[in-house]
Amino acid sequence: DAGVIQSPRHEVTEMGQEVTLRCKPISGHDYLFWYRQTMMRGLELLIYFNNNVPIDDSGMPEDRFSAKMPNASFSTLKIQPSEPRDSAVYFCASSLGGGQGTQYFGPGTRLTVL
Amino acid sequence: AQSVTQPDIHITVSEGASLELRCNYSYGATPYLFWYVQSPGQGLQLLLKYFSGDTLVQGIKGFEAEFKRSQSSFNLRKPSVHWSDAAEYFCAVGPSGYSTLTFGKGTMLLVSP
Repeated sequence: DAGVIQSPRHEVTEMGQEVTLRCKPISGHDYLFWYRQTMMRGLELLIYFNNNVPIDDSGMPEDRFSAKMPNASFSTLKIQPSEPRDSAVYFCASSLGGGQGTQYFGPGTRLTVL
Repeated sequence: AQSVTQPDIHITVSEGASLELRCNYSYGATPYLFWYVQSPGQGLQLLLKYFSGDTLVQGIKGFEAEFKRSQSSFNLRKPSVHWSDAAEYFCAVGPSGYSTLTFGKGTMLLVSP
């Protein structure tokens, strides 16, 4: 299996622009997670889905952030409008089953907002 | 709410020496505990996990961790460090039967020749 795939790997944009990050989970996994990693706050869970349904989005920082999972093989995280403080590495992870299911992480998208 | 503390931001170990990375957690019941490793520019890779049973857990790459309930700790150990072990290590805790994980801030391991 190719593992979790994220695109783009790097994104540089200007403040106010819309940013869309993409994730393809491991085939057959029923949970998908979006994390954000910064030096100050470490690794934070933003939102997670089970069977394409958002379960907990309490980590989404504000209304500028939205996430969708239209099918079992694709998810997006959108930031509109983007701000410099959104600069971070965004990870997608997937797992089979909750609880004891191991989360497999993608390589991440490094976002820089100028 | 659960929390994880990794008290060491950086640790430097000589190649061939033993390693212990500390992790303390706060959680009201028996948690699920994990150690992940992140190499530069990469995602996180699971080293090992503890759910129940034997408190000494073996993982990949020669790592092991011991769950000590009385100390709320889950320290990661390796008897002999290799230069390729240089990376950032994250401890994480999750409520049993639930999906979300809380990660520590990480410990950066540097390996000196």
